[in-house]
Amino acid sequence: DTEVTQTPKHLVMGMTNKKSLKCEQHMGHRAMYWYKQKAKKPPELMFVYSYEKLSINESVPSRFSPECPNSSLLNLHLHALQPEDSALYLCASSQEAGGPYEQYFGPGTRLTVT
Amino acid sequence: GQNIDQPTEMTATEGAIVQINCTYQTSGFNGLFWYQQHAGEAPTFLSYNVLDGLEEKGRFSSFLSRSKGYSYLLLKELQMKDSASYLCAVRFPSGTYKYIFGTGTRLKVLA
Repeated sequence: DTEVTQTPKHLVMGMTNKKSLKCEQHMGHRAMYWYKQKAKKPPELMFVYSYEKLSINESVPSRFSPECPNSSLLNLHLHALQPEDSALYLCASSQEAGGPYEQYFGPGTRLTVT
Repeated sequence: GQNIDQPTEMTATEGAIVQINCTYQTSGFNGLFWYQQHAGEAPTFLSYNVLDGLEEKGRFSSFLSRSKGYSYLLLKELQMKDSASYLCAVRFPSGTYKYIFGTGTRLKVLA
């Protein structure tokens, strides 16, 4: 199984809502990532978890809150978002954060903030 | 910050060869990855370079020169399904490691 799954596929939320994005992998990978991708732009790294510990936060606003409950799951909690946060949110995993290990990406959650 | 530059768009003909370049600042380099991304889909891995030289994988090859901060992806015998965006991603040590994606190259293959 070389699949990363993400739910939901689409999400529309108001600026006062609280919602969560979920990501799951069962490949035994120890590094997991959140990226934000705007249309016709490359993915931008948001967070890196290595061995279930947050190791990189790319100065992401606190309205985005990551969580890694166990080695297979990664959540992104959303609160008080702005319309400019509308984007495709991609989760990825790799065997380790370093080494010759590629990232496997999930299909993404397309988020619209109204 | 780190700038990773790629040409924005390229067009090529079915059956031809195309080379997509990627340049980056050399400080702290720890590996370079190429990904393919079709419109509306997630990126998928193509190749990895950490040492100088050429890595070949079927119709795709990737080259790296660390001293020049330069890589290219070579696609041979182009097919219509190769129409996609091609992203280079450079890894840098930072805490653990961080990945910065290049600007991406949209390739259009014409019949």
